[in-house]
Amino acid sequence: AQTVTQSQPEMSVQEAETVTLSCTYDTSESDYYLFWYKQPPSRQMILVIRQEAYKQQNATENRFSVNFQKAAKSFSLKISDSQLGDAAMYFCAYRSTSGGGADGLTFGKGTHLIIQP
Amino acid sequence: EAGVTQSPTHLIKTRGQQATLRCSPISGHTSVYWYQQALGLGLQFLLWYDEGEERNRGNFPPRFSGRQFPNYSSELNVNALELEDSALYLCASSLAQGVMLGGEQYFGPGTRLTVT
Repeated sequence: AQTVTQSQPEMSVQEAETVTLSCTYDTSESDYYLFWYKQPPSRQMILVIRQEAYKQQNATENRFSVNFQKAAKSFSLKISDSQLGDAAMYFCAYRSTSGGGADGLTFGKGTHLIIQP
Repeated sequence: EAGVTQSPTHLIKTRGQQATLRCSPISGHTSVYWYQQALGLGLQFLLWYDEGEERNRGNFPPRFSGRQFPNYSSELNVNALELEDSALYLCASSLAQGVMLGGEQYFGPGTRLTVT
């Protein structure tokens, strides 16, 4: 079974600064997807960014980018120019490509990101 | 395009009762996933429905069950409620063969179930 570990329960960053959230995972598979989801106080889980394991190039979405290190099984999220609206719980998630998606997403425990004005 | 919707927003039940939670996926999505987000336990995969069939379930007892209707909406039933069933229940939808098309799941706002 796959596991996802987020070692930072809480992170704080000044508005307009850059912050990096860490995520490591354990799997024996070679093909999979990794995601970062954001859950603001409204509870709605919002997809932030996606990475396919077979792609070496790191995914980027505007101010959000990832550092994907497949050999190290590491998948960190960098948020540039942090904004107050970025304050939320951030979850790292793994999805296997085997079994047609049968196992759903495996989530880490989450990192609570605080933005200081 | 409407997102995933869930009802009710909040549900309060007493121990031993049954709870029914509902989910409507994004139009065109045929797969529905249910997750439990309990305090201290994180997000855990509960059930997967696709094309009207239960395809897989997580490590939860049989009193957690559900179904998917012909319009792909889904219902989660929790029988014989226990205090530890108190949690946020999230529904997510994805395209058929979603794993082959990027793997994304899109979440609803959740139903907060409180068992007293």
